[in-house]
Parts: sequence; structure tokens; C-alpha cells
Amino acid sequence: GAVVSQHPSRVICKSGTSVKIECRSLDFQATTMFWYRQFPKQSLMLMATSNEGSKATYEQGVEKDKFLINHASLTLSTLTVTSAHPEDSSFYICSASGGGRGQPQHFGDGTRLSIL
Amino acid sequence: AQSVTQPDIHITVSEGASLELRCNYSYGATPYLFWYVQSPGQGLQLLLKYFSGDTLVQGIKGFEAEFKRSQSSFNLRKPSVHWSDAAEYFCAVGLAGGYQKVTFGTGTKLQVIP
Repeated sequence: GAVVSQHPSRVICKSGTSVKIECRSLDFQATTMFWYRQFPKQSLMLMATSNEGSKATYEQGVEKDKFLINHASLTLSTLTVTSAHPEDSSFYICSASGGGRGQPQHFGDGTRLSIL
Repeated sequence: AQSVTQPDIHITVSEGASLELRCNYSYGATPYLFWYVQSPGQGLQLLLKYFSGDTLVQGIKGFEAEFKRSQSSFNLRKPSVHWSDAAEYFCAVGLAGGYQKVTFGTGTKLQVIP
């Protein structure tokens, strides 16, 4: 089946640091990638949708200057949390879809971000 | 806008017992429907999906789901639960216009007891 690799799986860093998370589709071309944030014991909250070669579409309330998304190729999207603060600590999950009607999203294993 | 409701936040079943997780959706047309499973600290794995055709969908790990248009439901079932099935289950609904954005339900946490 479709495989999505997300790296790193866990990050611990100091407040003010910028953190980059990578999401790669390993065996298919991902025309669309999604970035989610998940709070403890809650569902996934969509942060943004990115299509290869174009600017990401951010959901309401998500700061685009805080969460920079790049989708430069059909197999790689990155999320950079700029100047991270403790309130940015969360579980971030990416997913990728190969396009076409109703194609399911395939998820990475998530990144646990802890800002001290 | 579409929405998904999973009425049960937490369910406990005995190993070997049957399981049904409920999912109701709200959408003006026939949606794309998915069930995902999430183990602690991990991403989501697709169990099964419904686009059209046969309303009873078979998935991985012995799971199945039935689309009932009249009830706007897409309940997940398994005849005999294994301890390894303990996890969080998410129902999701997607737009039927070719765009892959989906809306997730709030999840149902499944506990399996010996």
C-alpha cells in the first residue's frame, strides 16, 4: 500500500527555535498533502492543504507566517514551525493523496513536538 | 459543509466479542467515506473506504462497514475483536468533487478486555 514517511518522529527544542518537519510519499506521487495538528485525546485538526507547486491553503485561525509549508515536489512537503513556543507543542501529522476522485489520504506516523 | 458524528467516545468490549462503531455524517450528496485507525503516538491507517457501488465494504484486519444512505450512517463492524484492535478509530467524510479534503469525526477509543 501507499507509504508516507514523516520525519522526525520526535523533536524537543528550546523556545524560539524553528523546527522543520518533512513528509514524503515513498511509492506514489502526492499531488496534495495535508498537515494536521492533534491535541491529546482529540481528533485531527486540519491546518493546511498544499498542492505541488502552489501556495498552501490554510484553515481559518492558522497563522501562515507561523507555520510555513512548502510542497516543492510530488513526493515531499515540509512544515516549518517558526520561532516555536510552548503553546506550539503538539502532535503534527501529515498525509498525502495521489489525486483523483475520492482518493484516500495516507498518513505519516506523526511528529511529537515539545517546546521547552 | 459536511460533518461527521461519532456518538461513542469510548467503547469497551471483551476479546472475541463482536464490535460495532457508529458513524453518522451530514452531507448534501453521496460522500466518500473512510474509516481510519490510530494506535497511540502514531499516524492513521486506512481500514476501508466507500465511494460507490456495493454498500457493504470490506477492509483490512477483518473489518467491514456498511453505508446506509437512509440513515446517513457508515458503521464499522468486526465479528470477533482481538486485543490488538485496541486503538482510536476515526470516521471521515470527503467531498465528492474530486478534492481530497476530508472531515474527521471526534474518534472512538476502543478498549479490549481479556
